[in-house]
Amino acid sequence: AQSVTQLGSHVSVSEGALVLLRCNYSSSVPPYLFWYVQYPNQGLQLLLKYTTGATLVKGINGFEAEFKKSETSFHLTKPSAHMSDAAEYFCAVSPQTGANNLFFGTGTRLTVIP
Amino acid sequence: NAGVTQTPKFQVLKTGQSMTLQCAQDMNHEYMSWYRQDPGMGLRLIHYSVGAGITDQGEVPNGYNVSRSTTEDFPLRLLSAAPSQTSVYFCASRVESGRVYEQYFGPGTRLTVT
Repeated sequence: AQSVTQLGSHVSVSEGALVLLRCNYSSSVPPYLFWYVQYPNQGLQLLLKYTTGATLVKGINGFEAEFKKSETSFHLTKPSAHMSDAAEYFCAVSPQTGANNLFFGTGTRLTVIP
Repeated sequence: NAGVTQTPKFQVLKTGQSMTLQCAQDMNHEYMSWYRQDPGMGLRLIHYSVGAGITDQGEVPNGYNVSRSTTEDFPLRLLSAAPSQTSVYFCASRVESGRVYEQYFGPGTRLTVT
């Protein structure tokens, strides 16, 4: 069974500081991995995804994530936080077989302090 | 191209009432799904469909019915609403190209059951 854990339901950073949002998965076979962002009262928007190939994935808005198989992790980073990054971020996994359904973590709310 | 649309945006029901949440997409995607989002629990898969006439259960299907008579539409039915079904509901559709796919989410329906 797929599961994904996001450490820290709330993260606060100062504007210009590094953003690090953690995601670990549990799966016997490495799944496909995704990060989504949700701005207040909106739907989810894909930030980036890892399916195969290069383990460092670049996404929109300056975010990137690195797939580390040995650590079963897919942490999201951004070198310098901007006020507009304040949102909720969801890590999601999808098995490489079957219907490839998406399974989400519980989310991390990012606050950016001016 | 409107993407994924959902109606209504907001709905208040009394316990025991029934209703249908509508979802439509104009991207000719075969795969569609319904999620519910609850605080601290992320998004959980209710039902999904891999094509017209084919549906299957997700993680939390109890109390919900779906059907898929056309590629475009994937309605979610609550037969007898309960307060535990108070949530935000998101519909999504997915484009696939080999091993690469991306899920598009609708804007959500906020449902309150009193």
